[in-house]
Amino acid sequence: AQRVTQPEKLLSVFKGAPVELKCNYSYSGSPELFWYVQYSRQRLQLLLRHISRESIKGFTADLNKGETSFHLKKPFAQEEDSAMYYCALSGPGGGADGLTFGKGTHLIIQP
Amino acid sequence: DAGVTQSPTHLIKTRGQQVTLRCSPKSGHDTVSWYQQALGQGPQFIFQYYEEEERQRGNFPDRFSGHQFPNYSSELNVNALLLGDSALYLCASSDKRVNWKKLFFGSGTQLSVL
Repeated sequence: AQRVTQPEKLLSVFKGAPVELKCNYSYSGSPELFWYVQYSRQRLQLLLRHISRESIKGFTADLNKGETSFHLKKPFAQEEDSAMYYCALSGPGGGADGLTFGKGTHLIIQP
Repeated sequence: DAGVTQSPTHLIKTRGQQVTLRCSPKSGHDTVSWYQQALGQGPQFIFQYYEEEERQRGNFPDRFSGHQFPNYSSELNVNALLLGDSALYLCASSDKRVNWKKLFFGSGTQLSVL
């Protein structure tokens, strides 16, 4: 069964410090990995996908198949990064197999 | 574009009752997925509708059923409500022609079962 683990429920860092939100997954195949974010009083929204290898709002994430990880990183945290972050996984292809989400990490950026 | 809209925003029911939640997808989207989010948990996939058919289903009992209409809007029905069904129910839409995995979420319906 596919599973996503986010070991930290809460992560607090100071503004300007580096941020790393951990995500580990379990999947017998080649998954697609995503990071979704929910800012205060806003809807859950897609932050980035590993396939597109893009950097959004200064965040990057690299898929490490050997360690089955997809950690989210940002070199210098900003106060507006405070939010709930969810790592999600899907099987490849066009199958409608839904996304499997982790339990989320609440990121707090202190001034 | 109002994005994904869900109704109602809040709902209180008692055990054994039935409930219907509604969702209108983002303009141009043809695929609707439903997720259940319990307190302190991530969203959990219930099912997905495309072309008015249920295409895939997560690990949820038959008490959970749905429907998609020709205008792509969707309903989630839950029968014989249990206390454990209390959760935030999220609807997400996507465009299967582009990338169905790029989900746009609604604000959710908070269901409380007493």
